[in-house]
Amino acid sequence: EVRLVESGGGLVKPGGSLRLSCAASGFAFSTYGMNWVRQAPGKGLEWVSGMSGSSPYKYNVVADSVKGRFTISRDDAKNSLFLQMNSLRAEDTAVYYCARVYCPDGVCFSGGAFDIWGQGTMVTVSS
Amino acid sequence: QSVLTQPPSVSAAPGQRVTISCSGGSSNIANNYVSWYQHLPGTAPKLLIYDNNKRPSGIPDRFSASKSGTSATLGITGLQTGDEADYYCVTWDTSLSAVIFGGGTEVTVL
Repeated sequence: EVRLVESGGGLVKPGGSLRLSCAASGFAFSTYGMNWVRQAPGKGLEWVSGMSGSSPYKYNVVADSVKGRFTISRDDAKNSLFLQMNSLRAEDTAVYYCARVYCPDGVCFSGGAFDIWGQGTMVTVSS
Repeated sequence: QSVLTQPPSVSAAPGQRVTISCSGGSSNIANNYVSWYQHLPGTAPKLLIYDNNKRPSGIPDRFSASKSGTSATLGITGLQTGDEADYYCVTWDTSLSAVIFGGGTEVTVL
């Protein structure tokens, strides 16, 4: 079964740090681009960050709202994606999802087409 | 305020058709692929449409989409109570170098 499972969420004070993890199983993780998307309470979906897999076209991008504070990384040997979140603010409070780039028939659509999502992990930034 | 503009809500009776618009600009919709998602509270978003108008396997043909210029549209025919959800358009913005989501549209089946 193709699956993504997030972990690492929790309650943190403003200015604090958290590291989210996303464990992948059931597919060749290293070959896929991966992303983080969040949803704040009562708000819509917001893309956070994405990075390429083993394709020749490499990318590592983050949204302006988290630039300089969040870092995406991956460990293909452990089939895992990470999001290091520093200098957290109240407005970072959200459910964080990891998501796989959709690649039907080997052609990948990295501009927001994500076919597999985790169940999400809640991050609450509050004093 | 999202770069992509969607109506906050649309509604229709069971069996009817609804359309959801997504308005953007030259740096996003006009020159990049558009995807659409269905999102039920407490669940993972589901990819309905990719590459402007293609459906992943398993998505019924009641869901269709199109793109023209700086706008995209999602259509749902034969509306069912199970279609009640939030729907989002999404694309790449070349100027922002970022994936951008629309603000979302809540679909209500009357």
